Amino acid sequence: DIQMTQSPASLSASLEEIVTITCQASQDIGNYLSWYQQKPGKSPQLLIHSATSLADGVPSRFSGSRSGTQYSLKINRLQVEDTGIYYCLQHYSAPWTFGGGTKLELK
Amino acid sequence: EVQLQQSGPEVGRPGSSVKISCKASGYTFTDYVMNWVKQSPGQGLEWIGWIDPEYGSTDYAEKFKKKATLTADTSSNTAYIQLSSLTSEDTATYFCARRWELDYWGQGVMVTVSS
Repeated sequence: DIQMTQSPASLSASLEEIVTITCQASQDIGNYLSWYQQKPGKSPQLLIHSATSLADGVPSRFSGSRSGTQYSLKINRLQVEDTGIYYCLQHYSAPWTFGGGTKLELK
Repeated sequence: EVQLQQSGPEVGRPGSSVKISCKASGYTFTDYVMNWVKQSPGQGLEWIGWIDPEYGSTDYAEKFKKKATLTADTSSNTAYIQLSSLTSEDTATYFCARRWELDYWGQGVMVTVSS
């Protein structure tokens, strides 16, 4: 199975700060990488698909990038509504696997 | 508007089975696979498997092959997951999610296993 190592596990940041979350894949997954935000008691929401493509309706302060087998989610100018838990997902090879999650809080 | 409407919370006794539904609307049901994802209380996300509603083909994560059965009814645009031989480890919220990249999700169904 492909392992997705996500870091950091938790993060505290200030309003307007730039935040970066990373996922390291244990092998090549191409661009078959998505990012999700989950708020308490809610279902996850797709933010980024195909490693770098912004999902419909997602604010442009979110962006995704790839360097080899390392994938990053960047949030420019952090807003109050950006708190929650973020997950990456690889759907290159079954079983699809999620990263362990990053809990993002406001400082 | 794409919507995935899941059934209500379930309580199952140890050793029994439960069946959860996910009714799709706002798109052609047979155009995309439907995934199922498990989230245990306070934990992360775990992929269970997918079903292609058009052909009925499925794929499962190894640990769910004897636990979950995925089906789909194209006449009602509804996907189902049946969980069998319930144990306390099956207490969790179960989500359905559309397409390979899981672009739309249902609201989740809480399954509680309790005697």
